[in-house]
Amino acid sequence: QSVLTQPPSASATPGQTVTISCSGGRSNIGSNTVNWYQQVPGSAPKLLILGNDQRPSGVPGRFSGSKSGTSASLAISGLQSEDEADYYCAAWDDSLDGGVFGGGTKLTVL
Amino acid sequence: EVQLVESGGGLVQPGGSLRLSCAASGFTLNDYAMHWVRQAPGQGLEWLSSISWSGRTTAYAPSVKGRFTISRGNAGDALSLQMNSLRVEDTAFYYCAKGYSLSYSSASLDSWGQGVLVTVSS
Repeated sequence: QSVLTQPPSASATPGQTVTISCSGGRSNIGSNTVNWYQQVPGSAPKLLILGNDQRPSGVPGRFSGSKSGTSASLAISGLQSEDEADYYCAAWDDSLDGGVFGGGTKLTVL
Repeated sequence: EVQLVESGGGLVQPGGSLRLSCAASGFTLNDYAMHWVRQAPGQGLEWLSSISWSGRTTAYAPSVKGRFTISRGNAGDALSLQMNSLRVEDTAFYYCAKGYSLSYSSASLDSWGQGVLVTVSS
């Protein structure tokens, strides 16, 4: 059971917008920034969003993050086939004094 | 270009020990916090441990606290994870990752190695 809760799966057709949610608590999302990672099967994770809504250099503008209270969301607009991957949210947890990940959401591009 | 390369994985019996190393290039290792994250086959990501830029502060997941030790090399060019009392459930791919900042208490990991497989089995 992950500390951060994500839907196990999501799907959409190319060109559509898909949103992935991440729910936590006061000690993690409520107190710290949220990060999102993309992992293509067989590859290492890649930082997609840091600090709730900041895109590292090289990440397309189609990816955006937001946070409200103890929840966060990742939105992918103009969905492309190469976006098919697993997506994880992560935050620091002050009570645990450690990092916590969501269980991951498998995105399928139909 | 930032590059992280893990080594030291392999097959070990339950109760055994293993030491993972992470060689870094393209940045100054001692300028950033560093982290270890693992992923059991077919499962999600699990944060394991973090170390501050100075090496003075460390943090561990409850699942590995007291068994695993994170450390920096004296020359400041490598990161290590000493794993003792290994269990079958420790079987996973182990990734080292570079922190976005100096602070160990952040889940912003902006560069990852390709991972190394640790298999704990009799």
